[in-house]
Amino acid sequence: ETGVTQTPRHLVMGMTNKKSLKCEQHLGHNAMYWYKQSAKKPLELMFVYSLEERVENNSVPSRFSPECPNSSHLFLHLHTLQPEDSALYLCASSPTSVGIYNEQFFGPGTRLTVL
Amino acid sequence: GNSVTQMEGPVTLSEEAFLTINCTYTATGYPSLFWYVQYPGEGLQLLLKATKADDKGSNKGFEATYRKETTSFHLEKGSVQVSDSAVYFCALSQEGYNKLIFGAGTRLAVHP
Repeated sequence: ETGVTQTPRHLVMGMTNKKSLKCEQHLGHNAMYWYKQSAKKPLELMFVYSLEERVENNSVPSRFSPECPNSSHLFLHLHTLQPEDSALYLCASSPTSVGIYNEQFFGPGTRLTVL
Repeated sequence: GNSVTQMEGPVTLSEEAFLTINCTYTATGYPSLFWYVQYPGEGLQLLLKATKADDKGSNKGFEATYRKETTSFHLEKGSVQVSDSAVYFCALSQEGYNKLIFGAGTRLAVHP
C-alpha cells in the first residue's frame, strides 16, 4: 500500500450505532488530519494530530472521538450520530503540522450515511 | 483572519476550451498557495503549488502564478479535456500554522 488509505470506503449506520473509521499513512509523515466534506460546504477541519498528540480540535461535537495510537494510524470513533453528520470524511497527512510547505496528502475518504 | 475565495461554479466548457478558475486570498505574511483537485468518488490530490511571490506552479497542463500584488492564484489550462472534469480547490498555508485554509471549491464539467 502506498499513500494514505481509509477504511471502510462506505458506511451506513443508525443513530444508536458505534463505529470507527480508520486511516493509515505509508509516507512516514508526522501529522495527520480529519476533515468533513458536506455537500455545498467548504471542507471543515475537524482534528489535527502531530506526533500522536492532538494539536487542534475545531469545536467538534463529542460524538466524534479521534484516536492516534502512532504516527501512521488515525481513527475516528463515532457514536450516537445524527443524520446531519452524513458526509465524506477525509483523512490527510503531512510531513509536519507546521511550516510553510505544509503540503497535505489525502486519502480517498469514507462516505458515511447516518439513518 | 486568513481566507480563500474561489469563483462559484459550476464551470461548463467544451473540450479544448481555455480554462480559468479565479482564486484570491487574504492572509498576513507570505503564505504558500496550492490547487487541489478532487475527481468523482476520490479524495483530494495536490495539483500544483507555489511558495513565494511570482512563482508559477504547473502540472498536467495546468498553471497558476502567485501574484502578491493582487493576492491571487488563478488556475489556467489552455485546452481542457473531458477527463479534467472534477472539483478544484484553492488553498493556502502559512508558516507556524497547522492547517490549510481551503476555498469552497469550483466544479468543472467538460463536455465532448
